[in-house]
Amino acid sequence: QKEVEQDPGPLSVPEGAIVSLNCTYSNSAFQYFMWYRQYSRKGPELLMYTYSSGNKEDGRFTAQVDKSSKYISLFIRDSQPSDSATYLCAMTDFGNEKLTFGTGTRLTIIP
Amino acid sequence: EAGVTQFPSHSVIEKGQTVTLRCDPISGHDNLYWYRRVMGKEIKFLLHFVKESKQDESGMPNNRFLAERTGGTYSTLKVQPAELEDSGVYFCASSPEWGLSTEAFFGQGTRLTVV
Repeated sequence: QKEVEQDPGPLSVPEGAIVSLNCTYSNSAFQYFMWYRQYSRKGPELLMYTYSSGNKEDGRFTAQVDKSSKYISLFIRDSQPSDSATYLCAMTDFGNEKLTFGTGTRLTIIP
Repeated sequence: EAGVTQFPSHSVIEKGQTVTLRCDPISGHDNLYWYRRVMGKEIKFLLHFVKESKQDESGMPNNRFLAERTGGTYSTLKVQPAELEDSGVYFCASSPEWGLSTEAFFGQGTRLTVV
């Protein structure tokens, strides 16, 4: 069983819709949770970073962490065609420099 | 400010040959990481340098892979001899302080194809 599970998609939604992306994990030691966006032929770009449980908002993006359920989410409001990319969740525990990634979800926003 | 730069962007080599990938981190970043994504799988950690020292190389798949970081600046990852299963995208990342892999910046990756 993988440490981090992420639905690979693909996921297609119309412009303006709310997008929900999710990951589950099995390692209860994970404390830091990240969402990366990756455009085709580019490297991952950090979008959001959350420590422990709770919510974090940045513009149209909201990250949620539920450690009791080992479940994290990324919500994108008012989705735009420029949001079309692969979204990767990643996580690590305190003092560990190793990021553990999900496989990524390919998202397409249809104009 | 320049980001993390990787060379080459794409390499096609035959099985048994040697390939060297290079990573130039962001200037001043002490931490440098190598990751790899093979087709259909998740990005996986290979190793971590702090300056010129290997801090963690637990993700290196076998002894055909050798990573170096000369003088704590750029890093190279050599695969010798390359096998078909080494094909994938190799990412390098860097971060400025200890304990901040969470804020690492990634390069665009080197796509390695072994035929």
